[in-house]
Amino acid sequence: DQQVKQNSPSLSVQEGRISILNCDYTNSMFDYFLWYKKYPAEGPTFLISISSIKDKNEDGRFTVFLNKSAKHLSLHIVPSQPGDSAVYFCAASWFGNEKLTFGTGTRLTIIP
Amino acid sequence: DGGITQSPKYLFRKEGQNVTLSCEQNLNHDAMYWYRQDPGQGLRLIYYSQIVNDFQKGDIAEGYSVSREKKESFPLTVTSAQKNPTAFYLCASRAGTYNYNEQFFGPGTRLTVL
Repeated sequence: DQQVKQNSPSLSVQEGRISILNCDYTNSMFDYFLWYKKYPAEGPTFLISISSIKDKNEDGRFTVFLNKSAKHLSLHIVPSQPGDSAVYFCAASWFGNEKLTFGTGTRLTIIP
Repeated sequence: DGGITQSPKYLFRKEGQNVTLSCEQNLNHDAMYWYRQDPGQGLRLIYYSQIVNDFQKGDIAEGYSVSREKKESFPLTVTSAQKNPTAFYLCASRAGTYNYNEQFFGPGTRLTVL
């Protein structure tokens, strides 16, 4: 049972344009969401997070939007840069939960 | 420099041999985790530990074992009972347990069983 889903395995975006990565979840207990970025043969690095009391969180070029009624979140990267080419994982949890539940990842390729 | 180290980066073993992957952190984090990554499958939790001398099975614990004798260290043993051990293994840690779960990852170990 995949509780966190990233339905697009891959995405290609022109450099300078906006990249939008999507994530859906099914467990209503989730109230905290994270995005991780991963390069090949390296560990994931934390990118940005959002709690359910907000619907938007920004950090530089990265913005995460949360739509609780639709159980959907998205990561926007503007403008996209070649160094953004990586696999992006969405993860979810709730306060006090010892586990993170990860999606299967979306491979983003930025085209110069 | 605080962080998580995993060694070795690449590991080759013959089928039927047990192998132990190292994970050390100097972040003074309480909780530590082991994940496995396979192509197209995201990160799957093998084992986790919230305090020294205690650990719990994750979603795919069969064929693996762990120990947590020190706060800084959480080694993973891949036993011969693991049917498909070739994968990329990631260790992570987390500062506390009564907060939001933000985990920080090590660089990973790629295990190839020949």
